[in-house]
Amino acid sequence: EVQLLESGGGLVQPGGSLRLSCAASGFSLSRFAMSWVRQAPGKGLEWVSGISSSGSNSYYADSVRGRFTISRDTSNNILFLQMNSPRVEDTARYYCVKDRRESPGPPYYFDNWGQGTLVTVSS
Amino acid sequence: DIVLTQYPDSLAVSLGERATLTCKSSQSIFYNVNNKDYLAWYQHKAGQPPRLLIYWATIRDSGVPDRFSGSGSGTDFTLTISSLQAEDVAVYYCQHYYESPRITFGQGTRLEIK
Repeated sequence: EVQLLESGGGLVQPGGSLRLSCAASGFSLSRFAMSWVRQAPGKGLEWVSGISSSGSNSYYADSVRGRFTISRDTSNNILFLQMNSPRVEDTARYYCVKDRRESPGPPYYFDNWGQGTLVTVSS
Repeated sequence: DIVLTQYPDSLAVSLGERATLTCKSSQSIFYNVNNKDYLAWYQHKAGQPPRLLIYWATIRDSGVPDRFSGSGSGTDFTLTISSLQAEDVAVYYCQHYYESPRITFGQGTRLEIK
């Protein structure tokens, strides 16, 4: 059974830093592209960042490029999102999501979602 | 970026009746090389993570009840629930992956029981 368990959320000041983790089980991160998708309070879903199954390619939404970094530890099957210089508008629940396809390419659509971890950016 | 607009923003349907949700893309998301529309639908219930319902516009994900169906092509897509059940109350999102990794979601349609 596929499981995704996020952690690392909390309160962070604007301009600070925070690292989100996603412990994956039931499959190998090296076989599937992974992404982070967020939902701000009262808003819809927004794709934030993704990483290919090979780990060679990482992708970012314009809103976070240059501030956030996605990475993974395949030995421990953990996905990360390093959030540097967060802004108030980055306040959201962050979901770790697995691509449906076993493919070397970029993320497409997501068949497994974690419960999410809440990030609040505020002074 | 491709913009997906969902209609209506909210919808109330009686139990057992048909619910029709629409998603319109700002440009075609049909790729004629593989004859596929790059569109997915998700169901998001309160307090739960979203659930994949449909991909490639018409393919139901495993375990999804057959009362859910996806249709459409090009720029206009529909998610139909043939006979609404109480457990179908949720927000429904469409998502394109035509320009992957530049993935975007629609703003969502909130479905309630009348």
